Amino acid sequence: DAGVIQSPRHEVTEMGQEVTLRCKPISGHNSLFWYRQTMMRGLELLIYFNNNVPIDDSGMPEDRFSAKMPNASFSTLKIQPSEPRDSAVYFCASSLMPGLRTDTQYFGPGTRLTVL
Amino acid sequence: GDSVTQMEGPVTLSEEAFLTINCTYTATGYPSLFWYVQYPGEGLQLLLKATKADDKGSNKGFEATYRKETTSFHLEKGSVQVSDSAVYFCALCSNTGNQFYFGTGTSLTVIP
Repeated sequence: DAGVIQSPRHEVTEMGQEVTLRCKPISGHNSLFWYRQTMMRGLELLIYFNNNVPIDDSGMPEDRFSAKMPNASFSTLKIQPSEPRDSAVYFCASSLMPGLRTDTQYFGPGTRLTVL
Repeated sequence: GDSVTQMEGPVTLSEEAFLTINCTYTATGYPSLFWYVQYPGEGLQLLLKATKADDKGSNKGFEATYRKETTSFHLEKGSVQVSDSAVYFCALCSNTGNQFYFGTGTSLTVIP
């Protein structure tokens, strides 16, 4: 199994530009999570989907952030416009069963975003 | 609401030393508890988990026991190696299965 795939692995952009991060979950997994990791705030859950439907987006910092999951094998996290404080590592994770409390999350390698 | 409190780091140990990283939680009902590990430049990966009281999770020489009476899930290893150097995260999945909480992470460095 290829695991969770994220692209790009590194992104450097200038303030004000649109950034799109991509994620392909493990095949057959029905839940998908987007996290942000910074030194100051640690690991933060931004949003998660069950069966392609957004369940909890309370962690999305502001309207500049949006996430979509058009099908079971693809999700995007978009920042428009980007700001320097958005610089972080963004992780995507997937798990098998929505609502199963014993389930394990499988993380991708992350996208390191730098906004200049 | 539910939460996880994790021991502050960083932790530096000599090879073969005993490791404890403390984790306590606050939750209603019966959450599941996890330890994840993050090696440099990588994503988090599951180290071990326990899904009910008194369960012991174990993997790669690490152990943690789900203690409901003390609401704790401390990570232990009897003899650490340089290759164990990483950041360790305690995590909780709520009773409903719909809420997830990660601790702040504890950085461990093992020196030869």
